[in-house]
Formats: sequence, structure tokens, C-alpha cells
Amino acid sequence: DAEITQSPRHKITETGRQVTLACHQTWNHNNMFWYRQDLGHGLRLIHYSYGVQDTNKGEVSDGYSVSRSNTEDLPLTLESAASSQTSVYFCASSEQGAYNEQFFGPGTRLTVL
Amino acid sequence: DQQVKQNSPSLSVQEGRISILNCDYTNSMFDYFLWYKKYPAEGPTFLISISSIKDKNEDGRFTVFLNKSAKHLSLHIVPSQPGDSAVYFCAATGTGTGSARQLTFGSGTQLTVLP
Repeated sequence: DAEITQSPRHKITETGRQVTLACHQTWNHNNMFWYRQDLGHGLRLIHYSYGVQDTNKGEVSDGYSVSRSNTEDLPLTLESAASSQTSVYFCASSEQGAYNEQFFGPGTRLTVL
Repeated sequence: DQQVKQNSPSLSVQEGRISILNCDYTNSMFDYFLWYKKYPAEGPTFLISISSIKDKNEDGRFTVFLNKSAKHLSLHIVPSQPGDSAVYFCAATGTGTGSARQLTFGSGTQLTVLP
């Protein structure tokens, strides 16, 4: 069965370190998204991609970067982790076109000390 | 400035009764609305959606109502079951949000169905 996976599921890091969160989907979806979930804010969009070599900034992109070298993967990098980036991160994917639901991964809980 | 608001952080309902979850939006460009359900330690899963050309969409025990003039939608669950206990997110999208149809989420409502 097609799926979307995230790794690691839990990560503890220190302020200033570079961290990369992996997202892999086997749906062959063109669109991929990264969100963060914080209490009181719901899910906020960090970055998204419409296809290979395409990346775009979302609502809360400062301090994050993504790259899309193939259809299946959209890794999220925190260049220099900050305590404000402690959060739960969700990756999602969808087919191209309007009104297509997004399928979410299980999430990565990141703690920055 | 939250464009999608869920003003009730939590809701408790007795098993078998109706659960009503509410959502308000401010952006007039939104034309498609979705509800996602999220269990602890899992990602959100799509539950039901509604286009702005409709005012009601039903799927089994779940019905979503849309009142465009009030910019308000609600999710009704009848009858509520203990397995419905989860966080429910309202989301909206519309023209001008990009070809990928970016979603704007509310902050979520924790539903607890008591046995």
C-alpha cells in the first residue's frame, strides 16, 4: 500500500545545530508540504513543493529550508535550531489539481534544548 | 490574524448524542472546506469536505454544514461514539492559494465522547 513516512519520529537536539527531518511518500504525488503543529495554532505551513526542483515558502518559513530532488522525498532542514522550533512536524502530500485532499505522515516530535 | 478559527478548544459529549464542532473563517476567497481528524501520535486524516456551491454534505454519521453569509461551518456527528474522541481540525482553501490548493487550518477542537 502507498504511504507517507517520516523519520525520525522523535528528535532531541541542541540550539544552533543543523537538523534534517525526512519525509518519504510512495503515492507518486507531485505536491508535498511541511507543517508544524503548536498548541493554539493548529497546523501552519512551512514550505511546499509542486514537483521536482520546485520549492516555495509558506507562512512560517524563517529558519527552515527544503529541497526536492525526486518525487518521493522532501527533507526539511533547520539550518540552526532554535528553542522556538520545538514542535511537532507533519509532512503531507497530494495529487496535482484542485480539491485534492492531503495525506499526512505520522509526525516528528522535535525538541530543541 | 487567524483566517480560520475554532473557538472551542474542547468539547465533551455523551455517547449516542450529537457532537457539533464549529468553525469560522474570514477570507472570502475560500471556496472549499475540509475537516480532518487527528488521534494522538498520528497524523491528521481527512474526514469530510464541502464546496462553497453546497450548503450541506453528508457521509454516514458525519455531516458538514456551510453558511457562506455567516462565514461559518459546522461538523455534526450523530450518534457520537467513543472512537470519535480526537482532535478535529477545520481547514479551508480557495482561489489565490496556489495550484497546490494550500490549506489554512484552524487551531483544532478536542472532542471527548464519554461512554
